[in-house]
Amino acid sequence: LAKTTQPISMDSYEGQEVNITCSHNNIATNDYITWYQQFPSQGPRFIIQGYKTKVTNEVASLFIPADRKSSTLSLPRVSLSDTAVYYCLVADNDYKLSFGAGTTVTVRA
Amino acid sequence: EAGVVQSPRYKIIEKKQPVAFWCNPISGHNTLYWYLQNLGQGPELLIRYENEEAVDDSQLPKDRFSAERLKGVDSTLKIQPAELGDSAVYLCASSRGRDGYTFGSGTRLTVV
Repeated sequence: LAKTTQPISMDSYEGQEVNITCSHNNIATNDYITWYQQFPSQGPRFIIQGYKTKVTNEVASLFIPADRKSSTLSLPRVSLSDTAVYYCLVADNDYKLSFGAGTTVTVRA
Repeated sequence: EAGVVQSPRYKIIEKKQPVAFWCNPISGHNTLYWYLQNLGQGPELLIRYENEEAVDDSQLPKDRFSAERLKGVDSTLKIQPAELGDSAVYLCASSRGRDGYTFGSGTRLTVV
C-alpha cells in the first residue's frame, strides 16, 4: 500500500475554508484516494473518495492532480463541529485501508 | 439502518485476565474488520473476514489474540492473557465488498 504524508495539525476559524494536502508518491494505478474523519470516542467516518480530477459531495471536495501523487481535501466554511482528525488513505483493489496519524484540525470561534 | 454495533464500550481488566469484544456488523455486509487504535495514532488492521473466513490475519498477534466470525455475521475478538500494552481502542468495521465501509464506535480497553 502506498504511504501517505499529511500535516500533523492545522488550525482554522469558523467560516473559513480548510484545505488539507496529502502526498502519496507511490500510489498504484488501481488505487483510490479516500478520506476519513474521526471525532473523539468514535470510529472513523467516510468523507469522500476519488480516483482522479475533482469529486464533490455535501461535505467536502477532493482535488486530485493528473499525476495522482497528491490530493487535497477541501472543507468549505468550517464550523466548530468540524474539529476532528482527518485521515488520508490510499485503498487498493481489496480495499485494504492503511491509516497514518492523520491531521488534527482545530476550528476556533 | 443500524450501524456497526460494538460492545462493551469500555472495559477495565487486570493484566493476565482474558477479555472479549463483540461486534455486530451492518446487515448484508460480508466483510468484517477488526482494528486496534492506540492513543494519537490511526487504526491498524488486525484481521479481515470475508464471510466466515479470515482472509488477512497477518497483523494479529496470534500468541494471545484470537477472533472468530461464526456464521459469517457477528464476530468476537479475544485477548488471553491481556498485557498492559494492550490498552487501546478496538474498532470493528464492516463493508459490502468495497462499498459502505463503516466503523463502529469501538471498545476502549484499559489493562491495569
